[in-house]
Amino acid sequence: DGGITQSPKYLFRKEGQNVTLSCEQNLNHDAMYWYRQDPGQGLRLIYYSQIVNDFQKGDIAEGYSVSREKKESFPLTVTSAQKNPTAFYLCASSGLDRTTSGNTIYFGEGSWLTVV
Amino acid sequence: RKEVEQDPGPFNVPEGATVAFNCTYSNSASQSFFWYRQDCRKEPKLLMSVYSSGNEDGRFTAQLNRASQYISLLIRDSKLSDSATYLCVVIHNTNAGKSTFGDGTTLTVKP
Repeated sequence: DGGITQSPKYLFRKEGQNVTLSCEQNLNHDAMYWYRQDPGQGLRLIYYSQIVNDFQKGDIAEGYSVSREKKESFPLTVTSAQKNPTAFYLCASSGLDRTTSGNTIYFGEGSWLTVV
Repeated sequence: RKEVEQDPGPFNVPEGATVAFNCTYSNSASQSFFWYRQDCRKEPKLLMSVYSSGNEDGRFTAQLNRASQYISLLIRDSKLSDSATYLCVVIHNTNAGKSTFGDGTTLTVKP
């Protein structure tokens, strides 16, 4: 089945540590995204990538880094510079969808990061 | 002002009620519009696209008003299972592929 796979689903980080969240898609989508969601809040865009080897900062990129070495993969690193990283992280990809006749966004199941 | 704005609610309605949500957007060059549904502690899932001509999928109807720059979602005959947060999404033409989400409207359908 085509889709987006995020791992791990739950991650605990000690203060001062970097952690990397994995995101893989087999939908052949060009665009990929990382969002952060805090409890009771909306989605905030961290980084996005329209094509391999290129990515753009979103609205809250500070303390995060990404890479896009392969079309299928868009890992997110939460660095120690991110002072309040506890949140729900969602990876997404988008591409032409025949059923909607437009670019549709699909999400992975998300990763819960908690700083302990 | 946010690029995409939604009334956060919460909307508390009885089963069988009809409920409508609106979402306004500020970028007139916006090209594509969608409604997503998000259940508690889950990822958002596509509910339906929104077309200028309006579109219907069972009890759900979505409409786009480009002149006034808003989209709407109408849910008829609400079910308990409709309880969720509904997010509107706008994809811009000027920054191909970049999408902006509203903060969501929370709906609770009660027996």
